[in-house]
Amino acid sequence: NAGVTQTPKFRVLKTGQSMTLLCAQDMNHEYMYWYRQDPGMGLRLIHYSVGEGTTAKGEVPDGYNVSRLKKQNFLLGLESAAPSQTSVYFCASSGAGFTEAFFGQGTRLTVV
Amino acid sequence: RKEVEQDPGPFNVPEGATVAFNCTYSNSASQSFFWYRQDCRKEPKLLMSVYSSGNEDGRFTAQLNRASQYISLLIRDSKLSDSATYLCVVPLVSSASKIIFGSGTRLSIRP
Repeated sequence: NAGVTQTPKFRVLKTGQSMTLLCAQDMNHEYMYWYRQDPGMGLRLIHYSVGEGTTAKGEVPDGYNVSRLKKQNFLLGLESAAPSQTSVYFCASSGAGFTEAFFGQGTRLTVV
Repeated sequence: RKEVEQDPGPFNVPEGATVAFNCTYSNSASQSFFWYRQDCRKEPKLLMSVYSSGNEDGRFTAQLNRASQYISLLIRDSKLSDSATYLCVVPLVSSASKIIFGSGTRLSIRP
């Protein structure tokens, strides 16, 4: 059972470079989320999606873009990476309604 | 006021002790609540769901107080393996299932 899969798991970027993080879920979930977690802190919501073709801003959306072209995939893009975006990124998905969220294993991103 | 706030911690308690954390939420219309556990550098995993007044699972008890808008997590007979960060989670009714996490309470159990 794959659940939620994130790729890549680790990445080092230079300031100004761009990259895309991929989140894939095989549970047919409607809702998907991208969070970032900085050392010693909780999860902060970057963007989320309540269905294919829809996206919405979370608490800290600046510097990120997202797309949900297919129900099972939620992409997070960094157009011009900055050192402040060094963090661990978690993707999650949940069914419609107020149900449990399942997480991917995280992507550790360092911007130098 | 933050949408979800937790006891800051860290809590450092001896093995066998009972420990409790609180989490307050601002949206009175929230219907469901969750406690997640996160081990160091790992993804959060569901510990307990709370849909009505409370829930109990072995040594863990979660209680909901709608009037005061907080949920609590009680851990009895704590084990070394309970050392982790505990995250309170509240889906926001008004925002189409936007899920907000508390900042987490760090718990350390000492022998």
